[in-house]
Amino acid sequence: SAVISQKPSRDICQRGTSLTIQCQVDSQVTMMFWYRQQPGQSLTLIATANQGSEATYESGFVIDKFPISRPNLTFSTLTVSNMSPEDSSIYLCSAAGGDYGYTFGSGTRLTVV
Amino acid sequence: TQLLEQSPQFLSIQEGENLTVYCNSSSVFSSLQWYRQEPGEGPVLLVTVVTGGEVKKLKRLTFQFGDARKDSSLHITAAQPGDTGLYLCAGARGTYKYIFGTGTRLKVLA
Repeated sequence: SAVISQKPSRDICQRGTSLTIQCQVDSQVTMMFWYRQQPGQSLTLIATANQGSEATYESGFVIDKFPISRPNLTFSTLTVSNMSPEDSSIYLCSAAGGDYGYTFGSGTRLTVV
Repeated sequence: TQLLEQSPQFLSIQEGENLTVYCNSSSVFSSLQWYRQEPGEGPVLLVTVVTGGEVKKLKRLTFQFGDARKDSSLHITAAQPGDTGLYLCAGARGTYKYIFGTGTRLKVLA
């Protein structure tokens, strides 16, 4: 399966600021996704990152709050904008497609104070 | 609305015991995956099942997909402390797009 490097691994941010999370895959993948997870709980899909076009967002998530880029087949970013304490969570990217199976990054633990 | 309900939510057992985790839904899925996640890491894919009634084995883990493709089970034989983690099922909702279950936290005591 593909190997994903996600960074930062954790950050503490002030409310009202923005944080951009990067996800780099070691090979070209068909699909990339962004999830949110509360510690010890399930994952909620935020959006599908589409290469060269706007991301497809799930219900309850909007582009203004979570802008996503995917400039090529190996890289994607998620920005958490105008953060509030409710945005404190673990954010995970994943990649899927072809012979690469389905792989997750190790996550970004975000705390908003 | 959570489409995939897992049971039990928490499970603490002694090393050597057997256990079964269930994943249930009212929706039909074209495929279903099982993951294990450890603290500070992303989920790791254990198996994908695609055919109703399919059974797959991975060492001491046995996965079954329901005949109607609405449910699945994970059975662990002779659990070991290394099996400790968060187990997640995930149902396909499109090409490569999966919706995750509520999760089962397993702790195996030595």
